[in-house]
Amino acid sequence: QKEVEQNSGPLSVPEGAIASLNCTYSDRGSQSFFWYRQYSGKSPELIMSIYSNGDKEDGRFTAQLNKASQYVSLLIRDSQPSDSATYLCAVTDGGATNKLIFGTGTLLAVQP
Amino acid sequence: DAGITQSPRHKVTETGTPVTLRCHQTENHRYMYWYRQDPGHGLRLIHYSYGVKDTDKGEVSDGYSVSRSKTEDFLLTLESATSSQTSVYFCAISPGTSGRPSYNEQFFGPGTRLTVL
Repeated sequence: QKEVEQNSGPLSVPEGAIASLNCTYSDRGSQSFFWYRQYSGKSPELIMSIYSNGDKEDGRFTAQLNKASQYVSLLIRDSQPSDSATYLCAVTDGGATNKLIFGTGTLLAVQP
Repeated sequence: DAGITQSPRHKVTETGTPVTLRCHQTENHRYMYWYRQDPGHGLRLIHYSYGVKDTDKGEVSDGYSVSRSKTEDFLLTLESATSSQTSVYFCAISPGTSGRPSYNEQFFGPGTRLTVL
């Protein structure tokens, strides 16, 4: 059973702090890694993609990938109340092209 | 929502009735997917399509069928709805063009909330 594990939270951080969201995956064949943001009652929105080991920065977001440890993380700098949402980690199914395996998500609450 | 619409957006139906959900895209993407999202389970793949008339099962396909007669439309049918199929259903699309790292990116439609009484 290929799995993506996330802490369900809630992760509570004060406004302006750094939020750190973590994800581990079981399939060593996974090649592409994604973070989605989902507001309550809305659909998932792709916010970050990462394909190679290391860090990738986009505005206040930084994705980090360590394939050896099968670990992906998302850092949100200068957290804002509008960042409060559920963050879903997704990885490609190594054995099947174009299929993603999703974690159950981490609920982030940014306190004003 | 990346040129993706779903219809209906909300539906209440009774056990045993057939239900069809529609996903329509204007992006000309090759891959289309149907997911369901339930508390505690996250997003689970029901069926997906990799081209017109080309479909395959996901991890929770029992009780569901799909059809894709045109690139832009992907239909999900519940032949005889059950209460366990009460869920939020999302359609997603993906370019599926190999050679680019981003070809696995999936973009989601607004969702359909289905209640089976």
